[in-house]
Formats: sequence, C-alpha cells, structure tokens
Amino acid sequence: ETGVTQSPTHLIKTRGQQVTLRCSSQSGHNTVSWYQQALGQGPQFIFQYYREEENGRGNFPPRFSGLQFPNYSSELNVNALELDDSALYLCASSWTDQETQYFGPGTRLLVL
Amino acid sequence: QQQVKQSPQSLIVQKGGISIINCAYENTAFDYFPWYQQFPGKGPALLIAIRPDVSEKKEGRFTISFNKSAKQFSLHIMDSQPGDSATYFCAATPFGNEKLTFGTGTRLTIIP
Repeated sequence: ETGVTQSPTHLIKTRGQQVTLRCSSQSGHNTVSWYQQALGQGPQFIFQYYREEENGRGNFPPRFSGLQFPNYSSELNVNALELDDSALYLCASSWTDQETQYFGPGTRLLVL
Repeated sequence: QQQVKQSPQSLIVQKGGISIINCAYENTAFDYFPWYQQFPGKGPALLIAIRPDVSEKKEGRFTISFNKSAKQFSLHIMDSQPGDSATYFCAATPFGNEKLTFGTGTRLTIIP
C-alpha cells in the first residue's frame, strides 16, 4: 500500500504567477482534501474532491481551484499568486464517509 | 472564526514525564476528534482519535480524555521521550464529514 505523495516538494513563484500542485492518493482512497498550512499555524481546509466533483470548500477565494482525475489523483491550482499564499500545501486522502485522513508530505510554496 | 482552541502553544517536558495538551471546541456538530503529530518538513500523521461516546481512549503511551459537557478534550503522553518532540494538532469534524478543523498546534520539546 503506497502512501499519499505530492509534487513538487518545494516551489518558488513570483506575485501574479499561477501554480499547479499535484497529489496522488493513497491506494484505495477516493476522496482528496487540500489544506493550506501557514508557518506556525494549523492546516486550513481549502476544498475536497470526491468522484471528480468539488465536495465542500473552505474560506478561500475562487482563484484557488482544483481537479480530481479518474484515478483519484488531484491538482490544486492557484492563480494570481499573492505573497500571503506562501505556505505548506497539504493533500490528504481518505475513503468516503471515513473520518481518517492520511496526509502527504506537502508542497512548500514561496511567493516572492 | 476559530472553532478549535488549543493550548499551550509550546510545552517543555522532562524525559519520562507526562505531556498534556488541551483543546476546546465550539461546534456541537463535531463528532470525531483526531490528534495529529507533525515533524518539521513532514505532513501531519494521525496519532489517535476519539468519538464522544467514550470519555477516554488509550493507545500505548497516548491517551485522549474527552469531556462532552465541557466541550473539551486533551492528549496525554505518558513516559515522554525525546522522539516525541514534534508539533501536535488537535482537530475536529462532524461524523461522516471529512473536512477537518484544526487547532493552532502545540510545539512539544522533550528534554533529557
């Protein structure tokens, strides 16, 4: 059984650019959630995908968008990057209606 | 609105001692309360979790105590070891809903 993987591990972008982060779910999991973790803070829920549809969204603007693919992998896209978008972006996978989420190692994004 | 409050922000415990981290929640719809452990540069890893139908759950050196009427729960780490040094997050979610709301984290340091 493989765990949750994310790519890239680190990324540096400039303000106004766009970024795509990728996540591969743990084997057998059909639900993917994305979280943003600012330095020294707890993760904040961005959105969740189930069966390729968005299934709930946190308090993030529309420039944060996502996709889930038939193999349950997922992308997080952020447009018009702002300095405050600098954070660790975490992907977590789970099976439907089971509370336990398994997190990947995250992608560290720095916006200059 | 912060729905899960966590304290203390940081904690230093002697090796062999008991580490105690506390959390309080506001949303009565929360029905599943996990604790996550996070090492620097890594994603959060599930440590132990509880549902409010029990007042205590123990797994090895880790125990969750739950007080439903007070809307509080705590993590106790017995016989704390230097390898336990990490950041600990409490979290909460309604049953069957996987969108986790995290506390702000406690940085635990175990000194020899």
